[in-house]
Amino acid sequence: DIQMTQSPSSLSASVGDRVTITCQANQDIRNYLNWYQQKPGKAPKLLISEASNLETGVPSRFSGSGSGTDFTFTISSLQPEDVATYYCQQFDYVPPRITFGPGTKVDVK
Amino acid sequence: EVQLVQSGAEVRKPGESLKISCQGSGYSFSSYWIAWVRQMPGKGLEWMGIIYPSDSDTRYNPSFEGQVTLSVDKSLRTAYLQWSSLKASDSAIYYCARPALSDLLAALDIWGQGTSVTVSS
Repeated sequence: DIQMTQSPSSLSASVGDRVTITCQANQDIRNYLNWYQQKPGKAPKLLISEASNLETGVPSRFSGSGSGTDFTFTISSLQPEDVATYYCQQFDYVPPRITFGPGTKVDVK
Repeated sequence: EVQLVQSGAEVRKPGESLKISCQGSGYSFSSYWIAWVRQMPGKGLEWMGIIYPSDSDTRYNPSFEGQVTLSVDKSLRTAYLQWSSLKASDSAIYYCARPALSDLLAALDIWGQGTSVTVSS
C-alpha cells in the first residue's frame, strides 16, 4: 500500500508569512496528488489537483508542486481565513484507492 | 448549482442498523461516481469506497469492506451508506463527495455537508 506522510503536523505563523507543507509518498505516485483545505466544522474543499493545478476560484496565494514521491503545498502570504487543516491525497488505480495524508493544522499567531 | 445534500444527524444504539443518504443535483447524477469519506472525532479523512450510479459498480477500501454497504437509487438521484449492525467505533462524520471528472479517482471537488453519526448505549 502507498503510505503518505505530511509535515509538519501543525504550525503557527503570522499573517503575511509564507507557509510550506510537505507531503511524501513511499513510492512513486507521479503527479497523482491533490490538496484539500478543511475549516473547522466544514467539509473539505479541493484547492489543488494533480500536484499543481489550482482549482477555479481558489486564491493565487495557494500553490502546489512536486512529482514522484515529494510534494509541496505553499501559502505565499498567510491570511486569517486560511486557518484550517490541510490534507494531501493520493490516488492509485491498481487497486483503485484513495489515501489522505494525516493533515497539517495551520493557525495564525 | 452542483451540490450534494446529505441526510441529517443520527443517534443510534450499538447493534442497530442505519442508512444515510446523499442526494445530488445540478448535474448528470448517473455519470459521476460518488465517494464516501469518514472522519472520526478529531481525526483525519478516510476514503471508504465509491459507487457509480449508472450501473452500481462499487469499489471498497479493504478496511471498510464487509463493514458497510454502498448503494444508489438513480431515480432519486441518491446514494446511500448503510450499516447492518453499528458499533461505537462507527461514531463519526460521514461525507459524500463527487469526483471532478467521470473518473473514479479524480479529485473530489463537490462535497456534501456531512452527516454526523453517534453510536452510544
